[in-house]
Amino acid sequence: NAGVMQNPRHLVRRRGQEARLRCSPMKGHSHVYWYRQLPEEGLKFMVYLQKENIIDESGMPKERFSAEFPKEGPSILRIQQVVRGDSAAYFCASSPPAAGRIETQYFGPGTRLLVL
Amino acid sequence: SQKIEQNSEALNIQEGKTATLTCNYTNYSPAYLQWYRQDPGRGPVFLLLIRENEKEKRKERLKVTFDTTLKQSLFHITASQPADSATYLCALAKEAGNNRKLIWGLGTSLAVNP
Repeated sequence: NAGVMQNPRHLVRRRGQEARLRCSPMKGHSHVYWYRQLPEEGLKFMVYLQKENIIDESGMPKERFSAEFPKEGPSILRIQQVVRGDSAAYFCASSPPAAGRIETQYFGPGTRLLVL
Repeated sequence: SQKIEQNSEALNIQEGKTATLTCNYTNYSPAYLQWYRQDPGRGPVFLLLIRENEKEKRKERLKVTFDTTLKQSLFHITASQPADSATYLCALAKEAGNNRKLIWGLGTSLAVNP
């Protein structure tokens, strides 16, 4: 049973370009979370999605950032017109459908975005 | 808003000793609290979860306590090994249910010296 997959692992973009980060959750998991982690900072929640629905995007910047989790295929975090401040590690986590009220999140290895 | 504080200074201990890491939070009590381990260049790995109505949880050499009066969780690693060296993150969930957004501490770096 493969874990959470993220690709690419490293992504270099120039200012103004678009960055697309992909996340394939663990098999059987229907919930996906995206986090951003900056050096010397903690993980910051960005968005929580279920298949075809955005449940909570309160942590995601209103402009340039978007996320989707289509019925088929991976979840995508898209950053348009990247700026240097977007350079960070972006982690995806997944969890199964709630069998109870508590679940654990399983993290992928992250995508390290560097904006030149 | 909810705030989580973990020991900001790195913890250095000798192999075989018990490591104790602290997680303090403010404001409302979380539905549950989790501890994760993160190695450099990798994603966090879940270790233990403790519910608001639990005082203590154990797993092999790991032990977590949860004091809702003090608003504090302690994470213990007994008989520590150099392989335990990593950053340990505390995360809490405001409420179980549909909003599963976790709030994270900055983590405490642990170094176990041989």
